[in-house]
Amino acid sequence: TQLLEQSPQFLSIQEGENLTVYCNSSSVFSSLQWYRQEPGEGPVLLVTVVTGGEVKKLKRLTFQFGDARKDSSLHITAAQPGDTGLYLCAGALGSGGGADGLTFGKGTHLIIQP
Amino acid sequence: NAGVMQNPRHLVRRRGQEARLRCSPMKGHSHVYWYRQLPEEGLKFMVYLQKENIIDESGMPKERFSAEFPKEGPSILRIQQVVRGDSAAYFCASSPVRSGIYNEQFFGPGTRLTVL
Repeated sequence: TQLLEQSPQFLSIQEGENLTVYCNSSSVFSSLQWYRQEPGEGPVLLVTVVTGGEVKKLKRLTFQFGDARKDSSLHITAAQPGDTGLYLCAGALGSGGGADGLTFGKGTHLIIQP
Repeated sequence: NAGVMQNPRHLVRRRGQEARLRCSPMKGHSHVYWYRQLPEEGLKFMVYLQKENIIDESGMPKERFSAEFPKEGPSILRIQQVVRGDSAAYFCASSPVRSGIYNEQFFGPGTRLTVL
């Protein structure tokens, strides 16, 4: 059983379109992180959300943490080919404020076609 | 500020040999985590270490796998008597110690282990 479910698994859209990917769980997380991973490289941290209902923006990317801290979404506005990659969500199940091993989803493979 | 460093980037071993993977955390970071990524699967947590201490090894197989983070030098993930199923990408992450703030984890480029 996958603790963190990401959807969709694969998404291919045209440049300029908007998209949303989701990260869902039945468990409550003390914090949730989004990473982006390129082939042959390690995940690169995009954002950390810790408060239920929190919204963070990073240029054209908007991240939201659900009120109950069980789910999160990543919205990309006016997608560009440079946004192509594997997007991973990861959550910490611990009490927070400390350091815990992260639980990862399987990721969303995003392709932005020119 | 150099990021997390891992070496080697690629490692080929024959069945039954030993594999040693090294990780140097970011400067100022004293927490190290190891993860494994199998083809078509997500990253799986293996072990969490601080200097000279294993804090959580709940994700690490009980046999053949061990990890250490000595007082001096890099963290080492050691796999004895490797089998084909050990072929995967192994990632190390590090985080700082900052009281009251979630310790974000920063990943290295990974070591790709291939067992022939």
